[in-house]
Amino acid sequence: EAGVVQSPRYKIIEKKQPVAFWCNPISGHNTLYWYLQNLGQGPELLIRYENEEAVDDSQLPKDRFSAERLKGVDSTLKIQPAELGDSAVYLCASSLTSGSINEQFFGPGTRLTVL
Amino acid sequence: AQSVSQHNHHVILSEAASLELGCNYSYGGTVNLFWYVQYPGQHLQLLLKYFSGDPLVKGIKGFEAEFIKSKFSFNLRKPSVQWSDTAEYFCAVNAGGGSQGNLIFGKGTKLSVKP
Repeated sequence: EAGVVQSPRYKIIEKKQPVAFWCNPISGHNTLYWYLQNLGQGPELLIRYENEEAVDDSQLPKDRFSAERLKGVDSTLKIQPAELGDSAVYLCASSLTSGSINEQFFGPGTRLTVL
Repeated sequence: AQSVSQHNHHVILSEAASLELGCNYSYGGTVNLFWYVQYPGQHLQLLLKYFSGDPLVKGIKGFEAEFIKSKFSFNLRKPSVQWSDTAEYFCAVNAGGGSQGNLIFGKGTKLSVKP
């Protein structure tokens, strides 16, 4: 069974440039999560989707971050414009549904470096 | 707000030594508790979880954790570590009974096992 797929794995951009990350969850998983992981920290939730609906985006900095999951399958997270402080690993995870009894499966992450 | 504390940033052990990693959370209600592991170059994966019942839970690869409600703790243990246990370990909490599935992670503990 294929796991959560993320691309690109690494991205280096200059500040003020836009960047996008893509995530394909495990087939059949309705819930999709985007997390931010800064160096030396644990993952922090940015947004959670139930199918195509963003049900919790309270931690998403909406002035520069946006996300979509148009068909309730794969998802894109965008930053425009990127700032130096956005350098981090962006993780995508999925689960069957949102209840915590359902294990969250994580992708390998996208490591973003903003110069 | 809920939080998770992992007291040890970096633990260095020799093979066959016993391991205990501390995890404390701040939330007075019902919680679901998790330990995730990230091996070098790999993605986060679930090690074990506690929802209810026996406070001593067993996970993969010989790991176990004990939920002590009075101490708000969920420490991870292994009686005899192996070199292959070298990884970063994250404690996570889902507060409020788990209906939303949002995890709050600690900062992680890096474990280095010397052969």
